[in-house]
Amino acid sequence: NAGVTQTPKFRVLKTGQSMTLLCAQDMNHEYMYWYRQDPGMGLRLIHYSVGEGTTAKGEVPDGYNVSRLKKQNFLLGLESAAPSQTSVYFCASSDHREQPQHFGDGTRLSIL
Amino acid sequence: QSVAQPEDQVNVAEGNPLTVKCTYSVSGNPYLFWYVQYPNRGLQFLLKYITGDNLVKGSYGFEAEFNKSQTSFHLKKPSALVSDSALYFCAVRDLAGNRLAFGKGNQVVVIP
Repeated sequence: NAGVTQTPKFRVLKTGQSMTLLCAQDMNHEYMYWYRQDPGMGLRLIHYSVGEGTTAKGEVPDGYNVSRLKKQNFLLGLESAAPSQTSVYFCASSDHREQPQHFGDGTRLSIL
Repeated sequence: QSVAQPEDQVNVAEGNPLTVKCTYSVSGNPYLFWYVQYPNRGLQFLLKYITGDNLVKGSYGFEAEFNKSQTSFHLKKPSALVSDSALYFCAVRDLAGNRLAFGKGNQVVVIP
């Protein structure tokens, strides 16, 4: 079972470059989420989606954009990367807001 | 809504009881979750409290006790294993929300 798959797993960018992180889930879940994890700060929600074609801002949305054109995919974009965006990014999905979220294994992003 | 995990690290000898503390703040009745994270992996669901019995049993022999008067949801295991060494996160969702608020995490170290 694939579950939630994130690509790429690692990436190094230079300041000002752009990139897109891809999250794909094969569980037909409605809800999808993007988090960032930084030491001592737990997980912070960047953006989320409650269904295909919808997106909403989370706790730390600045500098990021998202799209949910297909139910199974949730894309996270960095238009102009900054060193403060160096982090581990996790995608998660759930079939209902009461249900547990299923997480991918993360994308480790370094911005120089 | 918010979650507090007051201890950064919990050290326990193998075979001894393990407790990881969590207190929450939310309007209305909470949905509460515990997740575990192993190195270089995403979060894995352990257990949840939605309603009903205050003692919730979950995966890998873990359980948690919901205490409404103390707004706490402490994670417990009667006999810790070295393989329980990991990062543990408490999370809360309120009834109206579509998203979880995570605590900062507790590093558990089980000493052989």
